[in-house]
Amino acid sequence: LAKTTQPISMDSYEGQEVNITCSHNNIATNDYITWYQQFPSQGPRFIIQGYKTKVTNEVASLFIPADRKSSTLSLPRVSLSDTAVYYCLVGGGGNKLVFGAGTILRVKS
Amino acid sequence: DVKVTQSSRYLVKRTGEKVFLECVQDMDHENMFWYRQDPGLGLRLIYFSYDVKMKEKGDIPEGYSVSREKKERFSLILESASTNQTSMYLCASSIGTGDTYEQYFGPGTRLTVT
Repeated sequence: LAKTTQPISMDSYEGQEVNITCSHNNIATNDYITWYQQFPSQGPRFIIQGYKTKVTNEVASLFIPADRKSSTLSLPRVSLSDTAVYYCLVGGGGNKLVFGAGTILRVKS
Repeated sequence: DVKVTQSSRYLVKRTGEKVFLECVQDMDHENMFWYRQDPGLGLRLIYFSYDVKMKEKGDIPEGYSVSREKKERFSLILESASTNQTSMYLCASSIGTGDTYEQYFGPGTRLTVT
C-alpha cells in the first residue's frame, strides 16, 4: 500500500497562494492521487484528482512530477474560508485507499 | 447533488452493546465505504462494498461487520461495542467499479462507547 506523508500544519494569509506537498514514494502504476478538504463537523469533500503532470479546476491545481513520488496541491489566493484539513489520497482499484494524516491549513487575515 | 445521509450525528452506547450505523445514498452509486476518523490518524477504511451483498475488508475490519442488502444502503455493525471503538464514523459512496472516482461523504456519526 502506498503511504502518504504531508506536513502536519501550515499557516498562510488571505490572498496568498498555498502549496501543500504530499510524498508517496511507493505509489503503484495504477494509483491515482486525490485531494480532499474537510471542515469541522463535516465529511471530506473532493477537491481534485490526477494521474500525472498537471490538473487544474476551478478551485485548485495539482502538480505531479514524472516520477509520481510526490504531488503538490496549489490553492490560489486563499481566503479565510479555506481554513480546513487537506488530505492527500493515493489509491486505485479495489479497496486500497490510503489517506494521509492530513494537513491543517490556517488562513489568517 | 449527491446526498449521503447517516442515521445519527451523535450516538452513545455502552460496552458490549450491538451497534448499527446506517448509511443511505441517493445517486445509485455502486461503491460504498465505511471509514473511521481519529485525531492524528486521518481516515482509515473499515469496509468497502462494490455491489449489493458484496463486501471487502479495509485496513481495520476487526470488531466490525457490514451489510448491504440494497444498493442505496450500507450498514456498519459493531457486534459488541468496546471503548476503543469510540470514534467518528464516516460513510461515503462513489460511482464506478474502482476507487479512482470521486467519493461523496456523509456528515459523520460521532460514536461514544462508555
